[in-house]
Amino acid sequence: GNSVTQMEGPVTLSEEAFLTINCTYTATGYPSLFWYVQYPGEGLQLLLKATKADDKGSNKGFEATYRKETTSFHLEKGSVQVSDSAVYFCALYSGNTGKLIFGQGTTLQVKP
Amino acid sequence: KAGVTQTPRYLIKTRGQQVTLSCSPISGHRSVSWYQQTPGQGLQFLFEYFSETQRNKGNFPGRFSGRQFSNSRSEMNVSTLELGDSALYLCASSVDSGTSGSYNEQFFGPGTRLTVL
Repeated sequence: GNSVTQMEGPVTLSEEAFLTINCTYTATGYPSLFWYVQYPGEGLQLLLKATKADDKGSNKGFEATYRKETTSFHLEKGSVQVSDSAVYFCALYSGNTGKLIFGQGTTLQVKP
Repeated sequence: KAGVTQTPRYLIKTRGQQVTLSCSPISGHRSVSWYQQTPGQGLQFLFEYFSETQRNKGNFPGRFSGRQFSNSRSEMNVSTLELGDSALYLCASSVDSGTSGSYNEQFFGPGTRLTVL
């Protein structure tokens, strides 16, 4: 079945460091891929998305490229800020299931 | 435009009781999905409703049920609560569930945190 695997956290970085959170997926067909972010005490917010191979999603300095050959969608940011501290979820949507499938989430802590 | 609202935000129940959670989608959204979030299992899909009909269902026991009203508001019910049902329950709405193959962004509410004692 469809699944998403994320690197385990927590990830602790200093402000202005480079961020990479790995995400790989298993799916039949051509799923859409997403990164969601969850701040403490809040629901999930869509951070970025990509709907087909080689698409690059980007938002707020974050970016991720849909790599079909490696079934990956790694999240990157060149310079993290303390305000980026949150839990990040990689997810896929496959039209024939009608649901989002999430990875386990990666906690990011950015220290000043 | 108001976001997805969920009530109540916090609930404490005891084993064996039942509970009903409510979700009001964004105006104009007809699809509502429910997810359970726990530290051990992460985010898991419960079910999705569209036009008052359950269109998709996750792998949860029959104790978990839901419904959707004509105004698209949705409720989920958990009967005979177990300790393992303690979780954050998230509701998400979208314009359409996208089962035709195209994705319509799901907007999440803040969740209801259920604690079962």
